[in-house]
Amino acid sequence: DTAVSQTPKYLVTQMGNDKSIKCEQNLGHDTMYWYKQDSKKFLKIMFSYNNKELIINETVPNRFSPKSPDKAHLNLHINSLELGDSAVYFCASSQGLAGVTDTQYFGPGTRLTVL
Amino acid sequence: AQKITQTQPGMFVQEKEAVTLDCTYDTSDPSYGLFWYKQPSSGEMIFLIYQGSYDQQNATEGRYSLNFQKARKSANLVISASQLGDSAMYFCAMREPNTGNQFYFGTGTSLTVIP
Repeated sequence: DTAVSQTPKYLVTQMGNDKSIKCEQNLGHDTMYWYKQDSKKFLKIMFSYNNKELIINETVPNRFSPKSPDKAHLNLHINSLELGDSAVYFCASSQGLAGVTDTQYFGPGTRLTVL
Repeated sequence: AQKITQTQPGMFVQEKEAVTLDCTYDTSDPSYGLFWYKQPSSGEMIFLIYQGSYDQQNATEGRYSLNFQKARKSANLVISASQLGDSAMYFCAMREPNTGNQFYFGTGTSLTVIP
């Protein structure tokens, strides 16, 4: 019974293409996130949505656009893919509690390779 | 300044021994949360343990415990009775209200359990 799922798990594409990664959570959480993990394993927040509303938008190229059709889904669309976009992208979700106890639960990750 | 510092890029431990993974953090906020995640070679991020800044006792979850030293701003993860399946990357993370409850991750420690 998957809590946070992402599709696809692997994505290999050519430079210049447009691609999307989908994320769904069945935990009933209000907040969802996208992270990028680079080749050195460093995790960086990209976006965060709470109840379909964008609340964190870190400095990422505007080729990256998140879309949240409902609070259980947060998709990531990437235009004009570049070599430097190759990374593992993680979706995560949390209850959206106001305090500091709001644990994030991660999806399995999507390994994007741009050729 | 780094919010989370993990100074051990790689650690080795003999099977059945205990191991401590170091984590120091930087915040001026009296309220914050500290988290540890495990990332095995399969890639998923698994939540292990949480410690709140106001918690009186060190957190424990099975073989995992957190050695929380508030004055030293350290939150070291202790894994007792190491198993081969504990071989993975371990990430320390912090959440603090004055940055919109954003998660900050350390650079990770790679743990290898030797049979």
